[in-house]
Amino acid sequence: AQSVTQLDSQVPVFEEAPVELRCNYSSSVSVYLFWYVQYPNQGLQLLLKYLSGSTLVKGINGFEAEFNKSQTSFHLRKPSVHISDTAEYFCATNSGGYQKVTFGTGTKLQVIP
Amino acid sequence: SQTIHQWPATLVQPVGSPLSLECTVEGTSNPNLYWYRQAAGRGLQLLFYSVGIGQISSEVPQNLSASRPQDRQFILSSKKLLLSDSGFYLCAWRETGGSPLHFGNGTRLTVT
Repeated sequence: AQSVTQLDSQVPVFEEAPVELRCNYSSSVSVYLFWYVQYPNQGLQLLLKYLSGSTLVKGINGFEAEFNKSQTSFHLRKPSVHISDTAEYFCATNSGGYQKVTFGTGTKLQVIP
Repeated sequence: SQTIHQWPATLVQPVGSPLSLECTVEGTSNPNLYWYRQAAGRGLQLLFYSVGIGQISSEVPQNLSASRPQDRQFILSSKKLLLSDSGFYLCAWRETGGSPLHFGNGTRLTVT
């Protein structure tokens, strides 16, 4: 079954510095990939999605991700983070065909003033 | 536009008591519906999903159950709660195919 791996459980970064949150997916055909953000005690909000087409995907809040088929990666990036970006970020993919969505274990981004 | 409602926001229940969490979606028809659980320090665990009325797929054997009595209503239940049922429960919906999930605000369940 399709799955994703987020190797970093926590990533501290200084304000206005760039950040990359890593996500690797298991090889499969017709992979759909998503990044979500979760603020404390809230549901998840979609940041961006890759279904097909351009490998560079731009999302909300200045985030972008690049689909890399050869490295089976879908890393999330932002050139300059703000305090308000402090949250937990989840990578996700379809599994079991297109009916299910499987999530990684999440990466907590802590932006340091 | 589509909206998803999930309630209650917080719930404290004693061990052995029943549970009923409700989720409704507005502004769409025949959505795929999902229940996830998020335990402290862990990712999201898919509990149940439904692709239509009365159609429930269970991902994890446990003392929880789900029902979909109406097209846009998804209910998570338990006859007797365990301490291990504590967690953050999230309802979500999506259109068919590869569309993304849309989440409710979650229910924080504490079993004491």
